[in-house]
Amino acid sequence: EAGVTQFPSHSVIEKGQTVTLRCDPISGHDNLYWYRRVMGKEIKFLLHFVKESKQDESGMPNNRFLAERTGGTYSTLKVQPAELEDSGVYFCASSQELGRGETQYFGPGTRLLVL
Amino acid sequence: GDSVTQMEGPVTLSEEAFLTINCTYTATGYPSLFWYVQYPGEGLQLLLKATKADDKGSNKGFEATYRKETTSFHLEKGSVQVSDSAVYFCALHTGRRALTFGSGTRLQVQP
Repeated sequence: EAGVTQFPSHSVIEKGQTVTLRCDPISGHDNLYWYRRVMGKEIKFLLHFVKESKQDESGMPNNRFLAERTGGTYSTLKVQPAELEDSGVYFCASSQELGRGETQYFGPGTRLLVL
Repeated sequence: GDSVTQMEGPVTLSEEAFLTINCTYTATGYPSLFWYVQYPGEGLQLLLKATKADDKGSNKGFEATYRKETTSFHLEKGSVQVSDSAVYFCALHTGRRALTFGSGTRLQVQP
């Protein structure tokens, strides 16, 4: 079974440009999460989809970030316009069921550098 | 709000040494606890988990016990190997689905 995949693995852009990150969850997983780790600090939650619906987007830092999940399959996270402080590693995770024992499976992450 | 505190790294050990990485938490409600590991160049992998007090999670020789009285979930391994070199993250979730992570502890094992 394929794991969570993310594209691209690395992205270097200039301040003010736009970047779109993609996540393909494990097939059949309704829950999809975005997280990011900035400057070696803790990994922080951005948002949670259940199928195509945003369940919780309380972690989105501002309106420069837009996440979508078309048809409840893959998801994209767009940053427009990018700022220096957006640099970090963006992780996607998916899970099949909610509950105490829920296990979130993570992708390899996208390393974003904004210059 | 929920929070996780991990010991700061890096932790440098010789092969076959005993490992402890401390993790304590603060949570509203009754959390499930996790350890994730990130090997160089790879994504996060679930290492072990525990969902209720006194449960012990174990995997690949690593263990952690859910201690509600001390709000801790310390990671231990009796004999580390060079291949255990990685960044280890302690995490929790409660009713809110999002995981709350600690800042990560880098482990470097020398031959």
